[in-house]
Amino acid sequence: DAGVIQSPRHEVTEMGQEVTLRCKPISGHDYLFWYRQTMMRGLELLIYFNNNVPIDDSGMPEDRFSAKMPNASFSTLKIQPSEPRDSAVYFCASSLGGLSSYEQYFGPGTRLTVT
Amino acid sequence: QKEVEQDPGPLSVPEGAIVSLNCTYSNSAFQYFMWYRQYSRKGPELLMYTYSSGNKEDGRFTAQVDKSSKYISLFIRDSQPSDSATYLCAGLDYQLIWGAGTKLIIKP
Repeated sequence: DAGVIQSPRHEVTEMGQEVTLRCKPISGHDYLFWYRQTMMRGLELLIYFNNNVPIDDSGMPEDRFSAKMPNASFSTLKIQPSEPRDSAVYFCASSLGGLSSYEQYFGPGTRLTVT
Repeated sequence: QKEVEQDPGPLSVPEGAIVSLNCTYSNSAFQYFMWYRQYSRKGPELLMYTYSSGNKEDGRFTAQVDKSSKYISLFIRDSQPSDSATYLCAGLDYQLIWGAGTKLIIKP
């Protein structure tokens, strides 16, 4: 298996632009997580899906952030409009056991820079 | 106060040294405790997990949990330059609660 795939690996955009991050989870995993990692705040859970359904989006910082999972093999995280404080590394992870699974498989991340 | 506290480092030690990485936590509901390793420009990956209190050993790595003091430790014996990474501890309640991660540097 190729593991969790994320694209793009790097994204540089100007403030106010729309940003879309993409994720392909490991085949057969029924939970998908979106995280944000910064030096100041560490690893933060933004939202997670179970069988393509959003379960908990309480970590989404504000309405500018939205996430979708149209099918079992694809998810997007969208920021519109983007702001410099959104600069971070965004990780997608998947697992078999959901939140209560201690083993989550992370993708390589998307490094987002908003100027 | 964060639920899981971890010194961000960096911690720099010479090759071959014994490394001790530590976390404290406040959530008494944690039953599983994890150590994830994150190499530069990569996502975290599970290194070891421990259920409840006690020790668990895997090669050069030993994970230790003391629930009475709410203390989590990871020991690395005979440290190698390839062990240089950020180590994140996490506790599992109804979701993973992460520490900030400690950056470890092993100098050849």
